Amino acid sequence: GEDVEQSLFLSVREGDSSVINCTYTDSSSTYLYWYKQEPGAGLQLLTYIFSNMDMKQDQRLTVLLNKKDKHLSLRIADTQTGDSAIYFCAEAGNTGKLIFGQGTTLQVKP
Amino acid sequence: DGGITQSPKYLFRKEGQNVTLSCEQNLNHDAMYWYRQDPGQGLRLIYYSQIVNDFQKGDIAEGYSVSREKKESFPLTVTSAQKNPTAFYLCASSPEGIVSEQYFGPGTRLTVT
Repeated sequence: GEDVEQSLFLSVREGDSSVINCTYTDSSSTYLYWYKQEPGAGLQLLTYIFSNMDMKQDQRLTVLLNKKDKHLSLRIADTQTGDSAIYFCAEAGNTGKLIFGQGTTLQVKP
Repeated sequence: DGGITQSPKYLFRKEGQNVTLSCEQNLNHDAMYWYRQDPGQGLRLIYYSQIVNDFQKGDIAEGYSVSREKKESFPLTVTSAQKNPTAFYLCASSPEGIVSEQYFGPGTRLTVT
């Protein structure tokens, strides 16, 4: 079935770049999403990429998609303490539902 | 302000009681969803509704029930049949149906003892 995998934890220093990785299994995915969840809150849509794109940049965020390897990444430039959160990738699979990864906790050290 | 509201933020219940979680949206979205989130896990879909008076089971519907009598509202009832009800519950809505981006409410943390 459809599956989305992420590493569980990433720690970086303030000012460094963060790269959060995600792999998925459904080759028919049309859209792939990145969401951010701060403690005790709902999910906030950060950005998304259509499956016929390789890259999308939005201010400090860069999304890279390798469709052949079914690999998605989110790069956050100049990471700030306010970026500390859980980041979820999600794919719109062929069942028409969003499938979420387990989430990557990003810890930003001052 | 447009958005999705969930109430209450925290809810405590005794085992064996049914409890209803509220979700309201004023975004004029057609589709609404309920997810459950457990620590270290992604979101799991409980129920979803693409139109008023219609809803479908998600991946973990057992022990839950929903209704969609109005476009703005999609309440979730956690019944006593749900084996492990303690979790964080998230409601979401979507403007174009199930595949488009979803917008989330702030969540309700349910604790059953």
